[in-house]
Amino acid sequence: KAGVTQTPRYLIKTRGQQVTLSCSPISGHRSVSWYQQTPGQGLQFLFEYFSETQRNKGNFPGRFSGRQFSNSRSEMNVSTLELGDSALYLCASSRPSGLAGGPSYEQYFGPGTRLTVT
Amino acid sequence: GENVEQHPSTLSVQEGDSAVIKCTYSDSASNYFPWYKQELGKGPQLIIDIRSNVGEKKDQRIAVTLNKTAKHFSLHITETQPEDSAVYFCAASTRGGGADGLTFGKGTHLIIQP
Repeated sequence: KAGVTQTPRYLIKTRGQQVTLSCSPISGHRSVSWYQQTPGQGLQFLFEYFSETQRNKGNFPGRFSGRQFSNSRSEMNVSTLELGDSALYLCASSRPSGLAGGPSYEQYFGPGTRLTVT
Repeated sequence: GENVEQHPSTLSVQEGDSAVIKCTYSDSASNYFPWYKQELGKGPQLIIDIRSNVGEKKDQRIAVTLNKTAKHFSLHITETQPEDSAVYFCAASTRGGGADGLTFGKGTHLIIQP
């Protein structure tokens, strides 16, 4: 079974621009979570989508947004880029929970998109 | 919100010896504790996890223990091999609760000396 895929793998943008990152979950998974990884702050949760609805959101400004499509693919958008947005952006997918509904506990990560803001 | 502390930040062990990484968490509502291994240029890979209703879990050379009273959990790797060299992250979440995102520790760089 194919893993989580993210495109593009590398991206260079200029301060003030906006960027859209894409994530395709493992087949059959309906939950996608996004994380930001930097050397200083480590891995931080951005938001999670399940069945096209945002379930939870981390402590990031409104410049960070996302959405999920009916095929479970997800996109993340960052507007008005700042130098501090340079990071590895990771997405993770979870399969549906069998009994209670909602996503299962286990999250499987993709390789990430390396964003550099100059 | 949840806060996860991880120690040590760097751990160097001789090949064949055991390695132990420790984490503490602050939110007593956390009920799920995964461990991830991240190699250079790759995303984190789930290697083992434990839920709050279990005290210990093993998978070959890897084991995780959880002490809910003390709010700490540990990763144990026995008979370490060169391919175990990587950065290891612990995490906690209240899956099914309010803040379902994983809260990660800062990571441990494990170095296996030949």
